[in-house]
Amino acid sequence: SQTIHQWPATLVQPVGSPLSLECTVEGTSNPNLYWYRQAAGRGLQLLFYSVGIGQISSEVPQNLSASRPQDRQFILSSKKLLLSDSGFYLCAWRGRDRGSDTQYFGPGTRLTVL
Amino acid sequence: AQSVSQHNHHVILSEAASLELGCNYSYGGTVNLFWYVQYPGQHLQLLLKYFSGDPLVKGIKGFEAEFIKSKFSFNLRKPSVQWSDTAEYFCAVIIKTDSWGKLQFGAGTQVVVTP
Repeated sequence: SQTIHQWPATLVQPVGSPLSLECTVEGTSNPNLYWYRQAAGRGLQLLFYSVGIGQISSEVPQNLSASRPQDRQFILSSKKLLLSDSGFYLCAWRGRDRGSDTQYFGPGTRLTVL
Repeated sequence: AQSVSQHNHHVILSEAASLELGCNYSYGGTVNLFWYVQYPGQHLQLLLKYFSGDPLVKGIKGFEAEFIKSKFSFNLRKPSVQWSDTAEYFCAVIIKTDSWGKLQFGAGTQVVVTP
């Protein structure tokens, strides 16, 4: 069966510090991968998605970036964090089969920027 | 602009009461529809989904949802809630022609069930 991991689970970082959040998927190959952010009272916002190694699309302009160095690894980064980057970051994967529109989510990383 | 709207941000109800959460979307094309649930301290997980066929779909834990195409709605229902249904509920939409499968979420509804 497929599983999705995220780490760290929680993170407290000062403004201006760098960020690296990691997401890995097991039990599937060539998945579509997604990064979402859940800010308090604002639902989930799609940040990035990837359909393959090195292929990243951004949904919103921000000081975050994403990379996909391996098929089942998706990394969210920032060179300098802002207060507004605080939130709950969720990684999700979707199968590539025809009709596989369901996304499955990881446990998330709660980021607090002080 | 395309969007997903959930009518209530917070709902408080007693055990055994009936629950209905509204969801409307504004996409003009064919869509796949989802309800996700996030229990306290747990992963976001799929509650139910509608792709095609019978517009009344049943999900886990006694939940069901009805797709009404003419109203662009996909409301979630449960006839009798339990304390364990306390969670945040998210409606989400994928446009079928979007090959990347990008989910658009509503803002979520926080449901609190009191004993």
